[in-house]
Amino acid sequence: DAKTTQPPSMDCAEGRAANLPCNHSTISGNEYVYWYRQIHSQGPQYIIHGLKNNETNEMASLIITEDRKSSTLILPHATLRDTAVYYCIVRVPNAGNMLTFGGGTRLMVKP
Amino acid sequence: DSGVTQTPKHLITATGQRVTLRCSPRSGDLSVYWYQQSLDQGLQFLIQYYNGEERAKGNILERFSAQQFPDLHSELNLSSLELGDSALYFCASSVQTGTNYGYTFGSGTRLTVV
Repeated sequence: DAKTTQPPSMDCAEGRAANLPCNHSTISGNEYVYWYRQIHSQGPQYIIHGLKNNETNEMASLIITEDRKSSTLILPHATLRDTAVYYCIVRVPNAGNMLTFGGGTRLMVKP
Repeated sequence: DSGVTQTPKHLITATGQRVTLRCSPRSGDLSVYWYQQSLDQGLQFLIQYYNGEERAKGNILERFSAQQFPDLHSELNLSSLELGDSALYFCASSVQTGTNYGYTFGSGTRLTVV
């Protein structure tokens, strides 16, 4: 799996968009970008994933640069409940392989 | 409720003891993964089982072992416990749906060794 780099922490005001960056300059052509988050002491939760096109679901949007070397997870209207550690994971979607978690970004949403 | 059930939720035990953590995967998921998360540490992969067979091993100590039973539930056995084994232990299960693995995590077992 390609290595990812994320800022260790970020703050965001409640109601504003939270933009969480991830660098994955060594990503290979068949690797996808996955985002998970872990709210304090709970199990990680899947958010979104994508290959090269931008993706959106009910939780977030994922913007992947054209060269695929970086991506941004966007929470459009952050709430206090979005305070969590966000993990960017790059890997081939091959069933049966474990997820490898890095340090992630600790997002603090403030009122 | 994620569909992955872990028991017990909390466990307090003494050093040197042995405990068993249990995980029931989401219905239909064949893979089970165990992770350890110590205080303020990241999630460390321990071991994976697929349909009863060990598939991958991570940073699992020799004092730890796991198995997956025919009904697909899994148990993680921790023996000769040390203070440093105090951590959250998560179980996850997965099935591939398109390009999304559908990894689903349980709510974890908090182990405290005193």
